[in-house]
Amino acid sequence: EVRLVQSGPEMKKPGESLTISCKASGDTFTGYYFAWVRQMPGKGLEWMGRIDPSDSYTNYSPSFRGHVTISADKSITTAYLQWSSLKASDTAIYFCARPTRDGYNYVSWGQGTLVTVSS
Amino acid sequence: QTVVTQEPSFSVSPGGTVTLTCGLSSGSVSTSYYPSWYQQTPGQAPRTLIYSTNTRSSGVPDRFSGSILGNKAALTITGAQAEDECHYYCVLYMGGALWVFGGGTKLTVL
Repeated sequence: EVRLVQSGPEMKKPGESLTISCKASGDTFTGYYFAWVRQMPGKGLEWMGRIDPSDSYTNYSPSFRGHVTISADKSITTAYLQWSSLKASDTAIYFCARPTRDGYNYVSWGQGTLVTVSS
Repeated sequence: QTVVTQEPSFSVSPGGTVTLTCGLSSGSVSTSYYPSWYQQTPGQAPRTLIYSTNTRSSGVPDRFSGSILGNKAALTITGAQAEDECHYYCVLYMGGALWVFGGGTKLTVL
């Protein structure tokens, strides 16, 4: 069984950069993608994008392309979500998720990372 | 852009049966959309209930079941319990390496 452990909460100012992480343990089949999901305060879940750690090929939701960067280090089965210039509207909980081996169903979830952006 | 639709809220009596649905603003949901269902309580990570339309995730009670009903994916809770009161989300695979979540349903058990 895959276990996903995310980095801790972050408090940042607008304009700052940030990278959060998600490390997989357990079944570390490198063919599993990592995906990132946003949940803004009091709102629903939004699929942001995914990465194939074997070759770092990424797919983004049109809503998030150009606003964040997803990367991965397959040697340590860790995925990253990065911002170069945070905005207050980036305040949210960010979850990582991994799918079943066929890649279609997100079944394993990290505990979430709260990102707060405020001046 | 196609929107994934869910009922904003639903109520069920304890012990009752409720069916939540997951549809498309345009078109019909089929198994090719690999519908999955998640349960979430405030401040917690989503818990996977159902994936690939009707496969129950490990440890999920059999009172939760998934199906396609008409042109929508459906999550049925049979014998609802007080602990089932929370938010439920579906997600659909839209093709082209894109997934879209529904807006979620807040289920009240009373």
